[in-house]
Amino acid sequence: QKEVEQDPGPLSVPEGAIVSLNCTYSNSAFQYFMWYRQYSRKGPELLMYTYSSGNKEDGRFTAQVDKSSKYISLFIRDSQPSDSATYLCAMSARTNAGKSTFGDGTTLTVKP
Amino acid sequence: GAVVSQHPSWVICKSGTSVKIECRSLDFQATTMFWYRQFPKQSLMLMATSNEGSKATYEQGVEKDKFLINHASLTLSTLTVTSAHPEDSSFYICSARDMRGSGVETQYFGPGTRLLVL
Repeated sequence: QKEVEQDPGPLSVPEGAIVSLNCTYSNSAFQYFMWYRQYSRKGPELLMYTYSSGNKEDGRFTAQVDKSSKYISLFIRDSQPSDSATYLCAMSARTNAGKSTFGDGTTLTVKP
Repeated sequence: GAVVSQHPSWVICKSGTSVKIECRSLDFQATTMFWYRQFPKQSLMLMATSNEGSKATYEQGVEKDKFLINHASLTLSTLTVTSAHPEDSSFYICSARDMRGSGVETQYFGPGTRLLVL
């Protein structure tokens, strides 16, 4: 069983929809939770990160962490065609997160 | 934002040849760089951690003699795939950590290098 499981998708939504992306994990030592966006044939770009449980909001993006359930989510409000990409969750026990464990990614398409 | 480049962006080579991939931090210095590989529709798998001026630390299962890493300066790390075979075909991505920080927010990824071994 993988340490990090990510809803595989793909997801296709109309422009303006609310998108929910989710990951579960099994390692209780994970403290840092990241979401990356990866466009086709490009490297990942850090969108948001949170430490421990709770919510974090940045513009149209909200990250949620529920450590008791070992479940994290990324919500995208008012989705735009430019949000079309693959979203990767990643987790680490420490902040120097070169050893982050990544999910397999969820590919999102936002249709105009 | 900080920029990490990789060269080449894609390469096709014959089986048995060696391929060198460069990773550069363009506007910051990085004592630590990381090399990942990513198969289609799969997650990034960390191959090794590259430290400037010292030997790389390889993850379990990664052959250090096949994937040679050199981190000769604070802005350059290279990955050489020696005697490449078709199963080495993959997307190789580097990331660099800005030496002025240590958190995830100071780790920047390159655009990746697609390797196809015929």
